[in-house]
Amino acid sequence: EPEVTQTPSHQVTQMGQEVILRCVPISNHLYFYWYRQILGQKVEFLVSFYNNEISEKSEIFDDQFSVERPDGSNFTLKIRSTKLEDSAMYFCASSKLTGEASSPLHFGNGTRLTVT
Amino acid sequence: GDSVTQMEGPVTLSEEAFLTINCTYTATGYPSLFWYVQYPGEGLQLLLKATKADDKGSNKGFEATYRKETTSFHLEKGSVQVSDSAVYFCALSEIYGGATNKLIFGTGTLLAVQP
Repeated sequence: EPEVTQTPSHQVTQMGQEVILRCVPISNHLYFYWYRQILGQKVEFLVSFYNNEISEKSEIFDDQFSVERPDGSNFTLKIRSTKLEDSAMYFCASSKLTGEASSPLHFGNGTRLTVT
Repeated sequence: GDSVTQMEGPVTLSEEAFLTINCTYTATGYPSLFWYVQYPGEGLQLLLKATKADDKGSNKGFEATYRKETTSFHLEKGSVQVSDSAVYFCALSEIYGGATNKLIFGTGTLLAVQP
């Protein structure tokens, strides 16, 4: 069964550094998402992406964050200047269609980001 | 805003015990409801879903019924196995203006099943 793959599985970075988290969604999916989970807290929606543009973003997704689909297969999340509070597990997801009830999200295994 | 509340864990059970993980929600419209499971070292996987009131979602022996009157979607399994040990997330989804699959998750409940 096709999977969403994320790399790396664990990233350690220093505060203030830029970090790029990478995802390869399922190939025939059209909608892409990033979620994150700070340790012990809820999984939170960050952003959704369709047709090469952001379709929705949360208040967490401020100017420090950006997403890109650079080459038709990868989907990246960039954090420009990391803060300690960005430490979390970041999940990428994709779906064929919109409307979760008919087109479930497929999640990757996550990238654990640790900011020191 | 919309939210999901689920029981805190960890929930520790012996094999073949009955499982209930409570989940309640707050939503302005008519959400779809989901249970996701995360096995150790893996991503979130859809376990089951229900899209309207009184629907029952079921998969792998797990069941949950969409109860609009109590705004609940409790997860149940009659006889758990060690392999069911995982974190279980309750979630809801509403379509905002016909837009995206924005899931709102609960905090997750760790289930540990002992042989």
